[in-house]
Amino acid sequence: DAKTTQPNSMESNEEEPVHLPCNHSTISGTDYIHWYRQLPSQGPEYVIHGLTSNVNNRMASLAIAEDRKSSTLILHRATLRDAAVYYCIPYSNTGKLIFGQGTTLQVKP
Amino acid sequence: ETGVTQSPTHLIKTRGQQVTLRCSSQSGHNTVSWYQQALGQGPQFIFQYYREEENGRGNFPPRFSGLQFPNYSSELNVNALELDDSALYLCASSLGGFANTIYFGEGSWLTVV
Repeated sequence: DAKTTQPNSMESNEEEPVHLPCNHSTISGTDYIHWYRQLPSQGPEYVIHGLTSNVNNRMASLAIAEDRKSSTLILHRATLRDAAVYYCIPYSNTGKLIFGQGTTLQVKP
Repeated sequence: ETGVTQSPTHLIKTRGQQVTLRCSSQSGHNTVSWYQQALGQGPQFIFQYYREEENGRGNFPPRFSGLQFPNYSSELNVNALELDDSALYLCASSLGGFANTIYFGEGSWLTVV
């Protein structure tokens, strides 16, 4: 199973962009990179996932390094509702998501 | 709204008892997984079911068991409850495969006293 390293916490101001980094140097060539977030007392929420190319959706963008050993989740304009724990997870065909400690994002008004 | 519903939302059990938690998957999703999340920790994988067969298991003892039904709904059963089983239990459904999105329910909070 690939291991991930994320900052324990980050802060952002409301309406500013946020870049959440993740190192996954042991990722295998077929693992997709999934990002989930979890608000207090709620189940994890899917954010975005990708394999090699950068990906965009209505929630965020995912920038994947060319060697795939790291990725960055980009929230283009942080809102107070984006305050959560963000998990970066290399997902393989084992079928299980392995959650690390994630990054706790605080958003200041 | 993920389309994954879990019940009950909260329950309290006594040590040694048995508990059954239920999950209704998003429509058409043939793969369901269960996770345990202790307070302050990330979710831990318990097991996965694909088309009614167990398809992978995490590091949990046999007293944690499951079922998946023909309509793809699922149950998690825990026997001989221990205090350390107190946690949020999460159900997740998907179409299977690691390229697909996984959707989580809101979880069932279990307290063992």
